[in-house]
Amino acid sequence: LAKTTQPISMDSYEGQEVNITCSHNNIATNDYITWYQQFPSQGPRFIIQGYKTKVTNEVASLFIPADRKSSTLSLPRVSLSDTAVYYCLVGENTDKLIFGTGTRLQVFP
Amino acid sequence: DAGITQSPRYKITETGRQVTLMCHQTWSHSYMFWYRQDLGHGLRLIYYSAAADITDKGEVPDGYVVSRSKTENFPLTLESATRSQTSVYFCASSLWTGGDSSGELFFGEGSRLTVL
Repeated sequence: LAKTTQPISMDSYEGQEVNITCSHNNIATNDYITWYQQFPSQGPRFIIQGYKTKVTNEVASLFIPADRKSSTLSLPRVSLSDTAVYYCLVGENTDKLIFGTGTRLQVFP
Repeated sequence: DAGITQSPRYKITETGRQVTLMCHQTWSHSYMFWYRQDLGHGLRLIYYSAAADITDKGEVPDGYVVSRSKTENFPLTLESATRSQTSVYFCASSLWTGGDSSGELFFGEGSRLTVL
C-alpha cells in the first residue's frame, strides 16, 4: 500500500489560493489519488480524485505530475469555511484506502 | 431522508459491557466500512463488507465484531468494551463494486463512544 506524506498543518487567509502537496513515492500503477475534507465532528467528505495530469471540479483542482510520486490539491480563493482537515489517499481499491493524519488547514480572516 | 445514518450519536458505557453501534444506508451501496478516529488522529479501518454476508478485517479489528445480514445495515459490536476503545466511530458506504477506480466513500455523522 502506498504511504502518503502531507504537511501536518497550513495557515492561509481568506481569498488566497491554497496548495496542499502530498508525497506518495511508492504509488502503484493502478492506484488512484483521492482527497477528502473533514470538518470537526463530521465524517470526511470526498473532494476530488485523479489518476494523472489535472482534474478540476467545482470545489478544487488536483495536479498530478507525470511520475505520479506526488500530487497537489489546489483550493482557489479559500474562505473561513474551508478550515478543515484534508486527507490524501492513494490506492487502487476502496477497501484498502488508508487515511493518514491529514493536513489541518486554518483559514484566517 | 436518503443517506447514511448512525446511532447512537453519543454513548457512554463501562468497561466490560457490550455495545452495538448501528449503521444504516438507503443507497443500496455494496460496500460498507467502519472506521475509528481517535482524538487528533486520522481514521483507521476496523472492518468492511463487500456485500451482505461478506465481511473482512481492516487495520484494527481486534475487539470488534460485525455482521451484514442485510445490504442496508452494518452494525459494529464491541463485545467487551475497553477504555482503549473510546473513540469516534464512523460508518461509510461506497458505490464501488471492485471496478477500475477507487470509489467515493460516503460517511455518516459518527458515533462518539466513551468507555469508563
